[in-house]
Amino acid sequence: QLQLRESGPGLMKPSETLSLTCTVSGGSISSSSYYWGWIRQPPGKGLEWIGTIDYSGNTNYTSSLKSRVIISVDTSKNQFSLEVSSVTAADTAVYYCARHFKTGNHGRGYCDSWGQGTLVTVSS
Amino acid sequence: DIVMTQSPDSLAVSLGERATINCKSSQSVLYSPNNRNYLAWYQQKPGQPPKLLIYWASTRESGVPDRFSGRGSGRDFTLTISSLQAEDVAVYYCQQYYSSPQTFGQGTKLEIK
Repeated sequence: QLQLRESGPGLMKPSETLSLTCTVSGGSISSSSYYWGWIRQPPGKGLEWIGTIDYSGNTNYTSSLKSRVIISVDTSKNQFSLEVSSVTAADTAVYYCARHFKTGNHGRGYCDSWGQGTLVTVSS
Repeated sequence: DIVMTQSPDSLAVSLGERATINCKSSQSVLYSPNNRNYLAWYQQKPGQPPKLLIYWASTRESGVPDRFSGRGSGRDFTLTISSLQAEDVAVYYCQQYYSSPQTFGQGTKLEIK
């Protein structure tokens, strides 16, 4: 059974770079049928899609965060990662990693498996 | 970006009754070459990640009870729970994966009346 688990710091200061890792178990991140991505949810609010990567390293980001976001993949460790630079309080959220079933090119697909999420709080 | 608008924002339904949630996209999510609607529904219970219920607007994910159904095409979609159970209390989201960025509706909170 596929499992995804997010890891990273829970508390950050403004202007720092957020770094999260998603470890995939029970399946290979090198499958050509999927993208691997990040979605976030501010406390008490809705879901915001951040971006995806495939096993080859092809990425697709939301335009609103594109200048501050990097998603990378390490197939040897079956992991993928998220970096968000210059964080502010507006980046406070639960960050989910999710497997996206590939429905075409350009990094899009529905999310058929999710991690439990990790809360990242940005505060001075 | 495609804007997804759900209605209502919250809904209270009696146990055993039907619950219907609507989702409207600002542009069509129907891809004509394959006649597929790039629309998914998710259920999120408190303290849990979202769970995929429906994809391609009407295909139920494996293991999802058949009281959940999705329909619609183009810009207008509905999620129906035919007979509400206590465990269905949750927030429900629609999502389009037709174009990037993939966008979600604001969510509909479903409660027991």
